[in-house]
Amino acid sequence: DGGITQSPKYLFRKEGQNVTLSCEQNLNHDAMYWYRQDPGQGLRLIYYSQIVNDFQKGDIAEGYSVSREKKESFPLTVTSAQKNPTAFYLCASSDGRGNANTGELFFGEGSRLTVL
Amino acid sequence: GEDVEQSLFLSVREGDSSVINCTYTDSSSTYLYWYKQEPGAGLQLLTYIFSNMDMKQDQRLTVLLNKKDKHLSLRIADTQTGDSAIYFCAESDASGGSYIPTFGRGTSLIVHP
Repeated sequence: DGGITQSPKYLFRKEGQNVTLSCEQNLNHDAMYWYRQDPGQGLRLIYYSQIVNDFQKGDIAEGYSVSREKKESFPLTVTSAQKNPTAFYLCASSDGRGNANTGELFFGEGSRLTVL
Repeated sequence: GEDVEQSLFLSVREGDSSVINCTYTDSSSTYLYWYKQEPGAGLQLLTYIFSNMDMKQDQRLTVLLNKKDKHLSLRIADTQTGDSAIYFCAESDASGGSYIPTFGRGTSLIVHP
């Protein structure tokens, strides 16, 4: 089945450690996104990539890094510079091509990161 | 930047209609969306409306768009306990070739017997 897979679903990290969240899609979508979700704050865009080997900062990129070496993969690294990393992280993808494009995002199931 | 506002909570009785409201500021919005999020999961698109439409109906869902007032609503008829979730309003402006949506903070719908 086609979809987006995020792993791990739950992750615990000590302060000062970097951690990488995986996001893989087999939908052949060009664009991929990382959002952070905090209670009552909705979704905030961290980084996005509209094509392989290119990515752009979103609204809250500080303390995060990404790479887009393959079309299917868009990993997110939460670095020790991120001051408040405990959150629910959502990866999404969309197909940016064609007149039929409605901009629909397809989301993974999310990764919950807790910093101890 | 662009802004999307919606109330945080709505409580309804099973069988009643639910109406979730949203306002947005981007006058160039191309598409407006309603996403649903079950607990501990990602978001799924419920429905969307193109900005030149006033209304869209899909089974129990009715979307109304008032472009003049920049107001979007989602009506769920005969609300069931399985409809309990967080509902996100979102808009995107495709005029620049990019569809990156702006999301509201989400409305938690609580359906009680």
